[in-house]
Amino acid sequence: GAVVSQHPSRVICKSGTSVKIECRSLDFQATTMFWYRQFPKKSLMLMATSNEGSKATYEQGVEKDKFLINHASLTLSTLTVTSAHPEDSSFYICSAHIRDMPTGKLFFGSGTQLSVL
Amino acid sequence: QKEVEQDPGPLSVPEGAIVSLNCTYSNSAFQYFMWYRQYSRKGPELLMYTYSSGNKEDGRFTAQVDKSSKYISLFIRDSQPSDSATYLCAMNTNAGKSTFGDGTTLTVKP
Repeated sequence: GAVVSQHPSRVICKSGTSVKIECRSLDFQATTMFWYRQFPKKSLMLMATSNEGSKATYEQGVEKDKFLINHASLTLSTLTVTSAHPEDSSFYICSAHIRDMPTGKLFFGSGTQLSVL
Repeated sequence: QKEVEQDPGPLSVPEGAIVSLNCTYSNSAFQYFMWYRQYSRKGPELLMYTYSSGNKEDGRFTAQVDKSSKYISLFIRDSQPSDSATYLCAMNTNAGKSTFGDGTTLTVKP
């Protein structure tokens, strides 16, 4: 099946620093990538939707200046958490929708556990 | 009210048992129904994908959709310890964004 590679799997950083998370689709073109945040024992909270070459669409309540999303190519999307604070600590996951695949069929990255000290 | 409600669990069953996982929804525009399996601290993995009422079987897994009742289920036969995970239902309209349930954590005891 399709593979989405997400890095890093775990990152610990100091408060005030920025962290970049990469999501790469291997061997296929991801026309749309989604970024989620997941709290323990909770479901996926959609943060933003990014389409290649265009600005990301953010969900209500998500600060776009804090969570910068770039989808520069059909195989790479990045999420940068700027000036991270302890409340940003969470599990972040990306998913990709492949061109011509049925609506709703998503392939997920393995997630990134962010801990801000 | 949430658009998708999932039986919260947690669920603990002995190995070999039949497991039933359930979700209800309120948005009649949902047309596509998915079940994902998520192991701890990993990304979800697509298990089943359906778009019509009825049953779809894949090995030990059966997905059931009842659009008239706005109810979907996932059945796992002959459950194994390796099935222990969190199961998420998800649904889509034609527009594209998925709406997820909160997940049910399943433990299958040897």
